[in-house]
Amino acid sequence: TQLLEQSPQFLSIQEGENLTVYCNSSSVFSSLQWYRQEPGEGPVLLVTVVTGGEVKKLKRLTFQFGDARKDSSLHITAAQPGDTGLYLCAGAEGSNYKLTFGKGTLLTVNP
Amino acid sequence: GAVVSQHPSRVICKSGTSVKIECRSLDFQATTMFWYRQFPKQSLMLMATSNEGSKATYEQGVEKDKFLINHASLTLSTLTVTSAHPEDSSFYICSARDHTGGGYEQYFGPGTRLTVT
Repeated sequence: TQLLEQSPQFLSIQEGENLTVYCNSSSVFSSLQWYRQEPGEGPVLLVTVVTGGEVKKLKRLTFQFGDARKDSSLHITAAQPGDTGLYLCAGAEGSNYKLTFGKGTLLTVNP
Repeated sequence: GAVVSQHPSRVICKSGTSVKIECRSLDFQATTMFWYRQFPKQSLMLMATSNEGSKATYEQGVEKDKFLINHASLTLSTLTVTSAHPEDSSFYICSARDHTGGGYEQYFGPGTRLTVT
């Protein structure tokens, strides 16, 4: 089973600040997904990155997949209280389509 | 598109009873569904992979006789927690993969909060 290290585990910032969440592995992933989850709900897919070096933007969120497809980052610009939630990265394992999840980053954006 | 539902959203049961949780893909067909368990403020832990028309594949440490999985159709998988105990109390989440898309994305249900008293 491939391991995915996600950091930081907890992050509390003020509205308007920028932040970056990292996911790292020693293994190569076929693709990597980022999800956001609110309390009592299921995770919601934000983005999938597939190609090494790929960068995707979703409004104030920028996702990057490392050249070697072993790591990824999520950068949020000018965070807002509505960004509060648990952010999860998940890497895809081969042909069985299982996802390996990072431990998650619990983000709190204070107004 | 890609909507997954779960039922019930919350259930409270007495110790020793069994509880069935349903996971449905509403607008796509899913040959593969996944069942996860999540503890408060923690990440998702994969319990098993549910394959339509065949036996589920369980992760190491997950008791297949306690967590019965049935994937009877391309849109429905069920998880039955048998002889539930308080330590089975948790948030159970299913996900489904749209096999026609060819990608790795999983679409998650809203989860089921199980409380065993």
